[in-house]
Amino acid sequence: DAKTTQPNSMESNEEEPVHLPCNHSTISGTDYIHWYRQLPSQGPEYVIHGLTSNVNNRMASLAIAEDRKSSTLILHRATLRDAAVYYCILRDWSGYSTLTFGKGTMLLVSP
Amino acid sequence: DAGVTQSPTHLIKTRGQQVTLRCSPKSGHDTVSWYQQALGQGPQFIFQYYEEEERQRGNFPDRFSGHQFPNYSSELNVNALLLGDSALYLCASSLMRQGYQETQYFGPGTRLLVL
Repeated sequence: DAKTTQPNSMESNEEEPVHLPCNHSTISGTDYIHWYRQLPSQGPEYVIHGLTSNVNNRMASLAIAEDRKSSTLILHRATLRDAAVYYCILRDWSGYSTLTFGKGTMLLVSP
Repeated sequence: DAGVTQSPTHLIKTRGQQVTLRCSPKSGHDTVSWYQQALGQGPQFIFQYYEEEERQRGNFPDRFSGHQFPNYSSELNVNALLLGDSALYLCASSLMRQGYQETQYFGPGTRLLVL
C-alpha cells in the first residue's frame, strides 16, 4: 500500500470547521482513500472513503485533489466528541487489502 | 447488534507465558482481522482470517498465531511473550466481497501488559 503523510496534530475550536490534510503523492490510479478515526480508549471507526470525486456523509466530507496526490477530510462543525486521532489510509481496488495505519493526526477541540 | 466484542478487556502476563485473546465479529460478518497497537502508534496489521484460514499476514513472527471458528469468531494466540508484546490488540470484522471497499468494524481492544 502507498504511504500517506499527515500532520502530527491540529487544534480547533468547537463549532468551527476543521480541515485535516493528507498527502499521498505515490497513490496509484486504483487506490481508494479511506479515513478512520480513533476516539480515546476506543477502536478505530470508519469515517469516509472516496476514489476521485468529493464525497459527503453524515460525519464528514472528503475533498480529493484533481491529481489525487492529496485529500482533505472536512468536519463542518467540530464538537468536543470529534477529538480523536484521524488516519488517512490507501486501499487497493480489490477491497481485500487490510488497513495500513500511519501515526495519524491528533485533533484537539477546545470549547 | 452487539458489534465487535473482545475479551478480556485487560490482561497481565509475565515474559515467556502464552496468551489467548478472543473476538466475536459483528453479526453478518465473515472476516476477522487482528491488529497490534503500541502506545502512541497506529494499529499494525497482524493477520486476517476468512473461511477459517489465514488469508493475509503482516510482518509478525510465528509466535503470533490465530484461529477462526465456524461461527466466524476468532482467537489470537501469542507464545513466549516478550516485554515488547505489551500493546492494545484490536480485532476488526468485515464482509468479504470482491471489488467492494468494505468497512472494517473494530472492537474496543484487549490491553495486554507483559511484565
